[in-house]
Amino acid sequence: DVKVTQSSRYLVKRTGEKVFLECVQDMDHENMFWYRQDPGLGLRLIYFSYDVKMKEKGDIPEGYSVSREKKERFSLILESASTNQTSMYLCASSPTRGYNSPLHFGNGTRLTVT
Amino acid sequence: AQSVSQHNHHVILSEAASLELGCNYSYGGTVNLFWYVQYPGQHLQLLLKYFSGDPLVKGIKGFEAEFIKSKFSFNLRKPSVQWSDTAEYFCAVGNTGGFKTIFGAGTRLFVKA
Repeated sequence: DVKVTQSSRYLVKRTGEKVFLECVQDMDHENMFWYRQDPGLGLRLIYFSYDVKMKEKGDIPEGYSVSREKKERFSLILESASTNQTSMYLCASSPTRGYNSPLHFGNGTRLTVT
Repeated sequence: AQSVSQHNHHVILSEAASLELGCNYSYGGTVNLFWYVQYPGQHLQLLLKYFSGDPLVKGIKGFEAEFIKSKFSFNLRKPSVQWSDTAEYFCAVGNTGGFKTIFGAGTRLFVKA
């Protein structure tokens, strides 16, 4: 069974801090994604990556960056955290480059920015 | 713009009642369609998917969904819900051959025992 592991379940950070959210998948999937989940808004795509060192902007990339140095690891970076980035962050992966296959999700990181 | 609309944000049913959750999408081109479920305290998981072929697809735990292309709809159904179906349900759409999957706002289902 595919496992997508997010390094932290809960994080509390201060405004202006640089924040790293880490995600690792163990099934050699090509594609990895970062979403944020907010009540009433569903999931919104921040960034995705279809290969090592490749990244593409999603629908709400402002204030975020990503890094994929190894196939199994995809990091989300908040350069300067702000209170409007308080949210649940979900990492996901999927196999098969160029094919919209089902996503496998991690348990999420609930980030609070104070 | 691409979008997914779920008709109900909150649904409350008694056990054994029938369920239908509406989903409509706006997306150019050929699509892949999904329903995901998030049980309390658990990660999002796939309930069922439609890629091509029979527009009536069956998923886990007795759920099914029907793709009606002319209506841009992919409604989720279950004939008889159980207390354990209490969860949040998300409809999602992606373009065939692409990477992006767009999600609806979700429907919270509460089933009374």
